[in-house]
Amino acid sequence: AQTVTQSQPEMSVQEAETVTLSCTYDTSESDYYLFWYKQPPSRQMILVIRQEAYKQQNATENRFSVNFQKAAKSFSLKISDSQLGDAAMYFCAYRESNFGNEKLTFGTGTRLTIIP
Amino acid sequence: NAGVTQTPKFQVLKTGQSMTLQCAQDMNHNSMYWYRQDPGMGLRLIYYSASEGTTDKGEVPNGYNVSRLNKREFSLRLESAAPSQTSVYFCASSDPGSILVYEQYFGPGTRLTVT
Repeated sequence: AQTVTQSQPEMSVQEAETVTLSCTYDTSESDYYLFWYKQPPSRQMILVIRQEAYKQQNATENRFSVNFQKAAKSFSLKISDSQLGDAAMYFCAYRESNFGNEKLTFGTGTRLTIIP
Repeated sequence: NAGVTQTPKFQVLKTGQSMTLQCAQDMNHNSMYWYRQDPGMGLRLIYYSASEGTTDKGEVPNGYNVSRLNKREFSLRLESAAPSQTSVYFCASSDPGSILVYEQYFGPGTRLTVT
């Protein structure tokens, strides 16, 4: 079974600085998808960024980017120019690429605090 | 579009009571899911439904039943609630046929406390 590990239960960063959240995963598949979800205090799960395993280029969405290292099974999230609204729980998630199997396996999350 | 809706938002049950959590989506998605979120555990899949009329167990199905009533609705039932089922429950949906094939859309969650 696939597993997703987030080894940083909590992180903090000064406003406007850059922070990197770590995620590692274990799978025997060669094609899959990886995601970062944000969960603010409202509890709503919000997709931040996704990465297809077959793509070598790292995904980027505005201030959010990933460092995808397929051989190392590592998928870290970098948040640049941190803002107060970035304070939330961040979950790394894995999904197989099989059609009809869109189940997500989540890590345990990293709580990000932004220091004004 | 309302997206994914869940009712109720909060619920307190006594041990042994039963209840059904309701979920509906208006995005014409084929696949629907139920997750539970516990402190320090992330989200874990309880049951999922790949299409109307089909359901399958996820990682933590014990103590739960589900019904895929139609394409829109996917309910989760606790027949005899236990304190270990105190959690936040999320419903989600996705559509492998859509252009946004990768994304699951989540409801706002139900906080359930079993005393």
